[in-house]
Amino acid sequence: QKEVEQDPGPLSVPEGAIVSLNCTYSNSAFQYFMWYRQYSRKGPELLMYTYSSGNKEDGRFTAQVDKSSKYISLFIRDSQPSDSATYLCAPAPGDYKLSFGAGTTVTVRA
Amino acid sequence: GAVVSQHPSWVICKSGTSVKIECRSLDFQATTMFWYRQFPKQSLMLMATSNEGSKATYEQGVEKDKFLINHASLTLSTLTVTSAHPEDSSFYICSARQTNSPLHFGNGTRLTVT
Repeated sequence: QKEVEQDPGPLSVPEGAIVSLNCTYSNSAFQYFMWYRQYSRKGPELLMYTYSSGNKEDGRFTAQVDKSSKYISLFIRDSQPSDSATYLCAPAPGDYKLSFGAGTTVTVRA
Repeated sequence: GAVVSQHPSWVICKSGTSVKIECRSLDFQATTMFWYRQFPKQSLMLMATSNEGSKATYEQGVEKDKFLINHASLTLSTLTVTSAHPEDSSFYICSARQTNSPLHFGNGTRLTVT
């Protein structure tokens, strides 16, 4: 079993829709939960960073963490074509050694 | 803030030669730098963890004599792919962080070995 499970998609939505992404993990030592966005041929860009269960909102992005069920989510409201990218969940233990999910490829259709 | 610069962005080399990739943290001192490798349509695979002034820690299956990592200062780490072969062709990405902060990534180096 992989440490981090993420559905690779692809996921295609119309502009303005809510994008829902999620991951499950198995390592109880994970303390930090990051979401990265990666455009083709570019390095990952940090989108969201949380360290506790609950919700964190930043503009159109909301990250949710449920440590009891080891489930993490990212929601993108009012999606735009520029949100088309691969989204990577990346939990980490205290040393920030990230474990990446497979990445979900999202396409937002204009 | 938290900008990580990686150079070169792409490189083509002949089989048997060595290639050096630089990773710099531009506006912060990086206590730790990580090197990743990414094949097409796959996620990032950690190769090694680098702390300034000490030897890098390599992940299982990564040849430390082939992938030489030097972390000479708090703002610079280098990865040298020695005696490169076509199977080493990949997207190499570095990341850096300050203490108690999440990772920020460079824009990657696409290596093609002919």
